[in-house]
Amino acid sequence: DIQMTQSPSTLSASVGDRVTITCRASQSISTWLAWYQQKPGKAPNLLIYKASTLESGVPSRFSGSGSGTEFTLTISSLQPDDFATYYCQHYNTYTFGQGTKLEIK
Amino acid sequence: EVQLVQSGAEVKKPGESLKISCKGFGYSFSAYWIGWVRQMPGKGLEWMGIIYPGDSHTKYSPSFQGQVTISADKSISTAYLQWNSLKASDTAIYYCARHRSTGNYYDWFDLWGQGTLVTVSS
Repeated sequence: DIQMTQSPSTLSASVGDRVTITCRASQSISTWLAWYQQKPGKAPNLLIYKASTLESGVPSRFSGSGSGTEFTLTISSLQPDDFATYYCQHYNTYTFGQGTKLEIK
Repeated sequence: EVQLVQSGAEVKKPGESLKISCKGFGYSFSAYWIGWVRQMPGKGLEWMGIIYPGDSHTKYSPSFQGQVTISADKSISTAYLQWNSLKASDTAIYYCARHRSTGNYYDWFDLWGQGTLVTVSS
């Protein structure tokens, strides 16, 4: 089974910071990766698919990169609305990473 | 408006049965795979399974195979998640979500329901 591992589990940052979240696959998954944002009490929201394609309506400060086994989600300049939990998903096996909680420092 | 609307919160006792629903609006419900995702209290997302409403073809996660039943009624644009005998460990929020492209078996979720909280307690 393919495992998806995110790091860090928790990330403390300030408004305006550039942050990067990593998602590693236990074997190569090409670019079959999506990223979601989830705010407390809300359903997840799609940010990125095919590893690097930004979903329509998602701010351009979000970007995704990577292929094979290592992927990153970058937020170029954190905004107050970005503090949330982020999940990667390998959508060929539907497996989610364990999540990264982005907290205010 | 394109949306998935789930049934309301449920409180059940261990051993009881339950069926929750997910109704699609504003698109051709039969043509898109619908998945179910569990989120236990304070935990992450777990993929449970998917169904193609057009022909009710289903695929389950091994972790949930035999524990739940996923079904759909395309005539009323509704998918279901069902338990025959609930356990306390089934307490969670359950989300339905739609695949992005028509007919795509492997796909990301681009549309989510609001979630249904299921509480199982004696």
